[in-house]
Amino acid sequence: AQRVTQPEKLLSVFKGAPVELKCNYSYSGSPELFWYVQYSRQRLQLLLRHISRESIKGFTADLNKGETSFHLKKPFAQEEDSAMYYCALSGGETSGSRLTFGEGTQLTVNP
Amino acid sequence: KAGVTQTPRYLIKTRGQQVTLSCSPISGHRSVSWYQQTPGQGLQFLFEYFSETQRNKGNFPGRFSGRQFSNSRSEMNVSTLELGDSALYLCASRRAGRPEGELFFGEGSRLTVL
Repeated sequence: AQRVTQPEKLLSVFKGAPVELKCNYSYSGSPELFWYVQYSRQRLQLLLRHISRESIKGFTADLNKGETSFHLKKPFAQEEDSAMYYCALSGGETSGSRLTFGEGTQLTVNP
Repeated sequence: KAGVTQTPRYLIKTRGQQVTLSCSPISGHRSVSWYQQTPGQGLQFLFEYFSETQRNKGNFPGRFSGRQFSNSRSEMNVSTLELGDSALYLCASRRAGRPEGELFFGEGSRLTVL
């Protein structure tokens, strides 16, 4: 069975500090990993996916298959980064739009 | 381009009743999936429809069903409602050919079962 774990429900940092949101997964095949974000009073939206290897809003995430992790990082947090972040896993083409989500991490960036 | 639209946004039902939720995907998106979000279980996949066919189904009882129309709009139905069905139901659409997990979500339909 596939599983996504986000160990921190709440994370609070100061503006300008580095931030890392942890995500660990279990999956027997080759997963595709995603980070979704939900800002206050907005809908859930895709932030980034590991296959694109791009940086979005200063965030990056590297898939570490050895540690089965996909941590989200940003070197200098901004107040507008405050949001709920969800790590999600797809089993690939056979999974279709079936994503397994973690429970989410509420990030608060303090001024 | 209009986003994913879900109706109704809020509704209250009593145990034993049934409910139908509607989802209009982004124009051109043929895949529609449904998720249930609750404080205890988080986001859980219900099912996915593509070109009017159910493509994938999550681990929910048969009381949860759905369908998709030729214009890609989708409905989900929950029969014999239970208190535990109280949740935010999210619909997501995806464009064919895009990565499987690149979903566009609606704002959700918040169901309260009394």
